[in-house]
Amino acid sequence: EAQVTQNPRYLITVTGKKLTVTCSQNMNHEYMSWYRQDPGLGLRQIYYSMNVEVTDKGDVPEGYKVSRKEKRNFPLILESPSPNQTSLYFCASSLRGAPYEQYFGPGTRLTVT
Amino acid sequence: AQKITQTQPGMFVQEKEAVTLDCTYDTSDQSYGLFWYKQPSSGEMIFLIYQGSYDEQNATEGRYSLNFQKARKSANLVISASQLGDSAMYFCAMRGAPRSSASKIIFGSGTRLSIRP
Repeated sequence: EAQVTQNPRYLITVTGKKLTVTCSQNMNHEYMSWYRQDPGLGLRQIYYSMNVEVTDKGDVPEGYKVSRKEKRNFPLILESPSPNQTSLYFCASSLRGAPYEQYFGPGTRLTVT
Repeated sequence: AQKITQTQPGMFVQEKEAVTLDCTYDTSDQSYGLFWYKQPSSGEMIFLIYQGSYDEQNATEGRYSLNFQKARKSANLVISASQLGDSAMYFCAMRGAPRSSASKIIFGSGTRLSIRP
């Protein structure tokens, strides 16, 4: 089944404890992206990748890191999480190297205390 | 800077009626793309429809159509014959021009649509 998977789905952590949210797609898509969703703000793009080893900042990259060493994986790293990073995170992928029809993962709900 | 505005935080519509969800945008790019996504209460994001700025015809996908008015910078989503399953949050989004901001995408704040039986 064609899909985007994210792990974990739910995470409660403490301020400053490094964490990684994994994202994997099995559709051989070139484009991958991370978003955060906060009430009243819609989705905001954190980072995106147009292909392997090519990443760039979205609108809200501060406090996040990403890497794209393989085409299928695009992990999101929070080196030192803070409470303002409490949010619902989505990973998405698109066939071409730009966000056309995007397939989204199920989301990761992160709480930082 | 690019901007997407959805002015309707919430809407109630009777089942089987048509509904229009408003979306206006602002961009200085000549080439751009507009999207609509649906987010049911279960939380997943579902792609509905895409319109390129140079597409001459309005995009349609089943019961969904995008009413694209370039001069007014609007990209309204029209759902014909609404169903109870259409109750969800709807997001309008835009990507920028090739070779500059094609890979960036911005979303509006969303409209929560509720269908009454």
